[in-house]
Amino acid sequence: GAVVSQHPSRVICKSGTSVKIECRSLDFQATTMFWYRQFPKQSLMLMATSNEGSKATYEQGVEKDKFLINHASLTLSTLTVTSAHPEDSSFYICSAPLGGPGYEQYFGPGTRLTVT
Amino acid sequence: QQQVKQSPQSLIVQKGGISIINCAYENTAFDYFPWYQQFPGKGPALLIAIRPDVSEKKEGRFTISFNKSAKQFSLHIMDSQPGDSATYFCAANSIIQGAQKLVFGQGTRLTINP
Repeated sequence: GAVVSQHPSRVICKSGTSVKIECRSLDFQATTMFWYRQFPKQSLMLMATSNEGSKATYEQGVEKDKFLINHASLTLSTLTVTSAHPEDSSFYICSAPLGGPGYEQYFGPGTRLTVT
Repeated sequence: QQQVKQSPQSLIVQKGGISIINCAYENTAFDYFPWYQQFPGKGPALLIAIRPDVSEKKEGRFTISFNKSAKQFSLHIMDSQPGDSATYFCAANSIIQGAQKLVFGQGTRLTINP
């Protein structure tokens, strides 16, 4: 069964608004979670590493003020896309290592964001 | 900079045949190599994985072959079935200064013809 959940699965928002996506680890604790972005027919690109109790680590080229990450607890990380633009439309996927850092990463089902 | 190169981009195999997908990496710090299967509109699902101290790992119809000296690894799907039609991603994991990072290949769209 699923070990990582995401909510919502789909969201449509208007330009300029903010959208929050939740990622939860099910039945295990994750001090670290990862956020990826995937464009149609392309690979997954790591956006940032979410760290429980500390600031997220962003990959080069990812705007940290635009993509706010909060790792509120050992089972929940949230990604907030602020002041969304149509070019932010994408498939956002989170993952968490079952067993801790260095172990297999399990991915959530993804969130399809459409900005109109 | 693409650290993991995957080929082919797309692959068509007849039912019952063997599907082979190849990946090559550059960074010798990678210590773990998983393969993921992704269906349209879904998140990637871990299929099988290998560590560099092993040359082959088999789980059911799926086999990873690993060549450390050549820095290459491949996924073999035996007796391919229409339900195997999906996009497959190889990946490579590293842990640097305590930070884990998973780098993905470009993906292979596999179609199994009935």
